[in-house]
Amino acid sequence: DAKTTQPPSMDCAEGRAANLPCNHSTISGNEYVYWYRQIHSQGPQYIIHGLKNNETNEMASLIITEDRKSSTLILPHATLRDTAVYYCIVRDLTGANSKLTFGKGITLSVRP
Amino acid sequence: DVKVTQSSRYLVKRTGEKVFLECVQDMDHENMFWYRQDPGLGLRLIYFSYDVKMKEKGDIPEGYSVSREKKERFSLILESASTNQTSMYLCASSSAGRANQPQHFGDGTRLSIL
Repeated sequence: DAKTTQPPSMDCAEGRAANLPCNHSTISGNEYVYWYRQIHSQGPQYIIHGLKNNETNEMASLIITEDRKSSTLILPHATLRDTAVYYCIVRDLTGANSKLTFGKGITLSVRP
Repeated sequence: DVKVTQSSRYLVKRTGEKVFLECVQDMDHENMFWYRQDPGLGLRLIYFSYDVKMKEKGDIPEGYSVSREKKERFSLILESASTNQTSMYLCASSSAGRANQPQHFGDGTRLSIL
């Protein structure tokens, strides 16, 4: 699986949009971009995933650049409950082993 | 919504005990996984299962076994618990319908072996 790079931390004000960046410059054509988050002492929560088109669901939007070398997760109106570690993952799904590997992620702190 | 339920949030056991961790999912998913998560080591796959009675070793299967007798239930067994198995254990499930389906996790079991 391609490696991802995320800044270690960021913060944003409650009610504002949180834009979380991720670089995956070695991504290949059959690899998807996934985002998960983990709130302290809870299991990881799936947020969204995409291949090359932008995606939106009830939780967030995923913007993937045209060259697919980077992406941005957007939480449109951050709340205090969005404070968590966010993991950007790139996965090749053609192999038999479909395990997830999390990097260090980015710690998002939402301030009142 | 997908619901993955792990039987205990916190568990304390003694060295040498046989420990059972249970996981149930309600979305008729074919795939189920057991991971452990430790500070500085990230997520590590212990075992996974693609179907009832099927199991595959992950990266760190030593000291563990699994059982999948029903599609919705995947059990992790610590045959003889040791202190180095103190960890957060996470169960996940996913649909086999399309290859890009995400894994959904339970809330985890924080296991302490004394």
